[in-house]
This record gives sequence, C-alpha cells and structure tokens, in this order.
Amino acid sequence: KQEVTQIPAALSVPEGENLVLNCSFTDSAIYNLQWFRQDPGKGLTSLLLIQSSQREQTSGRLNASLDKSSGRSTLYIAASQPGDSATYLCAGASGGGADGLTFGKGTHLIIQP
Amino acid sequence: GAGVSQSPSNKVTEKGKDVELRCDPISGHTALYWYRQSLGQGLEFLIYFQGNSAPDKSGLPSDRFSAERTGGSVSTLTIQRTQQEDSAVYLCASSNGFSYEQYFGPGTRLTVT
Repeated sequence: KQEVTQIPAALSVPEGENLVLNCSFTDSAIYNLQWFRQDPGKGLTSLLLIQSSQREQTSGRLNASLDKSSGRSTLYIAASQPGDSATYLCAGASGGGADGLTFGKGTHLIIQP
Repeated sequence: GAGVSQSPSNKVTEKGKDVELRCDPISGHTALYWYRQSLGQGLEFLIYFQGNSAPDKSGLPSDRFSAERTGGSVSTLTIQRTQQEDSAVYLCASSNGFSYEQYFGPGTRLTVT
C-alpha cells in the first residue's frame, strides 16, 4: 500500500526566496505523481503531473522532480510571492492510472510580504 | 470549458438522515473519483468509476456509503443513516483516459448534527 509523507509540515519564508517542498513515497511502482495547491476553504488545484517515465516537469516558476528509485519528489518554487501562500499536497497513483491518489498531509506555506 | 462541479456546496443534516452528494465531471472525462477530507484524517480516497462501473468499492468507509454513476457522466455519493463522524468535505475529481491527471471540484462540506 502506497504511503506518502511530506516534509516540512509548515514553512514560512520571506517573499522572493526560492524554496523546496519535499515528498516521499513507499511504492516505487508509482504510476504518476501529482502536486496540488489548496487555498483555505477551497478545492484542490492541480499544479504539475509527473508520469513515472519522466524525471521532471516545469510550469512557470514551479519545477517538480521525480526519483522513483529513492521514492522522492520535490517541488521547487522560484522567486516566491505572497500569492503562493497555500497548502501544497503531493499525491501518488499506484497500479493503473485510473486508481485513486494517495495523498500526503501537505505542507502549509506562508510567504511573508 | 467548465470544470468539475459539485452540489450542494454545503449540507447540514441531522444524525440518522440520508444525504445525496452530486458530482458533474469535466465533459469527456471517463474516470471519476470521490475523496473525503476531514481534519484528523487528511485526504482519503473512497471510490473511482471508469465509465459507469466501479471496479473496487473497498475504500468506502462503511456499508452506509454507496455511489453510482449514470451515462458515464454525473455521479452521486449517498450516505445513509448519517453519523457525526461522517462530517467532512467530500471532493470529487475527474480525469481523461490518457494522462490521468485529476481535476478536482470545490467540494461539498457535510455537517452532521
């Protein structure tokens, strides 16, 4: 059974800094890994999807990597802005692509203006 | 195009009553997923549909929970004889049959009094 862990649970940094959020998973037969952000009282917004055959994906100031052999993924946020403040969730799908996602408990990120 | 929609956005019900939660996926998405997000448990996968069929119902918390999907589109999650521990946000997601990137709706906040 897939287990997903996210470190740190909370992070507060000044605006403009580059930062890295970490995610680890136990099942290396992961099908894909998805990063989301969740704003208070809202649903989840998909940020990046990395297929098992890929090593990284980029979207704007975000870059996510996947290392199946070590069971790790990282989300890199460049030049952080106050609008980046949210909870960031990492989730993995095992087995076939239509299986449900297993989520970590998230990293609560605060960017100080 | 329109994203995933869910209704109602909020539902308050008395213990012992039945409730129905509705999910309208993105048009053309073949896979549909239900999750539950509660304070103590994080995000928990409940069930997924490929077309109208749900291959695995083992993620449903108890036999009071059931779900169906008709016409390969709208899905309903039904909770019978609600209990206070059912209070949570119920999230629905959908994905296409290619990348399996999941897109989430805004959720239904269920409160059982």
